[in-house]
Amino acid sequence: RKEVEQDPGPFNVPEGATVAFNCTYSNSASQSFFWYRQDCRKEPKLLMSVYSSGNEDGRFTAQLNRASQYISLLIRDSKLSDSATYLCVVTEGRRALTFGSGTRLQVQP
Amino acid sequence: GAVVSQHPSRVICKSGTSVKIECRSLDFQATTMFWYRQFPKQSLMLMATSNEGSKATYEQGVEKDKFLINHASLTLSTLTVTSAHPEDSSFYICSAYLLAGGSYEQYFGPGTRLTVT
Repeated sequence: RKEVEQDPGPFNVPEGATVAFNCTYSNSASQSFFWYRQDCRKEPKLLMSVYSSGNEDGRFTAQLNRASQYISLLIRDSKLSDSATYLCVVTEGRRALTFGSGTRLQVQP
Repeated sequence: GAVVSQHPSRVICKSGTSVKIECRSLDFQATTMFWYRQFPKQSLMLMATSNEGSKATYEQGVEKDKFLINHASLTLSTLTVTSAHPEDSSFYICSAYLLAGGSYEQYFGPGTRLTVT
């Protein structure tokens, strides 16, 4: 079983749509959770951290459910520029990151 | 924000040759850097943890004699792929931790795309 599992997609949505990605992790000792965005052939870039209380950054909302070991990302009012691969990432404190395989999003005009 | 650089960004080499990739933290000191590898359509996988002044820690399945890591200073770690083969063709990315605002944030280099012919 993979440590971090994501639906690979692709998710093809029209501009303006709301789309949600989910992720599950197997290591109950995981302490920190993130969503990264990776554009084709580029390095991953931090999109947002994920907290148990949930957090929102503009059109993006992230939620963490520690009991179910489940993380989500909601994107509202999708833009063409949101097209990318979204990586669910977990880590135990100050250690290397464990990446999910990513969910590909394609926003269409 | 913190910046991590990598050099070269792209390299093509012949099978059997060695390639050195540099990872630098440009405006902060990093006692620990990480090396990841990403094959096409796959996730980033940790290869090794590079520790300044000591030996690197390799993940299971990563040959330490093939992927030589040197972290000689607080701002530079190098990864040398020795006797490269076509199956080593991949996207290699380094990262470094920075303590910011009470929490550790990991910053990635732009990556090095290695093609072995």
